[in-house]
Amino acid sequence: KQEVTQIPAALSVPEGENLVLNCSFTDSAIYNLQWFRQDPGKGLTSLLLIQSSQREQTSGRLNASLDKSSGRSTLYIAASQPGDSATYLCAVRSHGQNFVFGPGTRLSVLP
Amino acid sequence: DAGVIQSPRHEVTEMGQEVTLRCKPISGHDYLFWYRQTMMRGLELLIYFNNNVPIDDSGMPEDRFSAKMPNASFSTLKIQPSEPRDSAVYFCASSVGTEAFFGQGTRLTVV
Repeated sequence: KQEVTQIPAALSVPEGENLVLNCSFTDSAIYNLQWFRQDPGKGLTSLLLIQSSQREQTSGRLNASLDKSSGRSTLYIAASQPGDSATYLCAVRSHGQNFVFGPGTRLSVLP
Repeated sequence: DAGVIQSPRHEVTEMGQEVTLRCKPISGHDYLFWYRQTMMRGLELLIYFNNNVPIDDSGMPEDRFSAKMPNASFSTLKIQPSEPRDSAVYFCASSVGTEAFFGQGTRLTVV
């Protein structure tokens, strides 16, 4: 059974810092990994999708990497801004086609 | 496309009442997922459909929960009878290919 963990559980940084969020999964036989953002009381917004054959994906100040063999992914946020404050979730899609989510990292970027 | 549409956004009901949550997936998507989110357990998959057929309902907590997808543009999640421990945010998501898109969720409170 696929299990997904995320470290740290919470993170508070001053504006302008670069930061890394970590996601680990136990079964490396995945189709893809997706990073989401969730604002309080809101739904999930897709940030980046990495296919199992890819090593990384970039969108603006966000960069996500995938090391399938070691069961890890990182989300790198450059030059963080207060508007980046949210909970970040990673989800792994396996052969059963369903998505398994990590518990999330709650990020606060202080002005 | 308006994205995944869920209704209602908020539902408050008394214990023992029947509750029906609704979801309209993105047109053309062939997978539909129902998730439940709580502080204690995070995002949990309840059931998912492929081409309107239920594929995995192992996450449905008990017989009080049922889900249907009568056509490609509509799905329901029903709880009968509802209990206070069912209070959570229920998300619907759809996908075609590999990327998942989530609705805004229904916040259910059972008193």
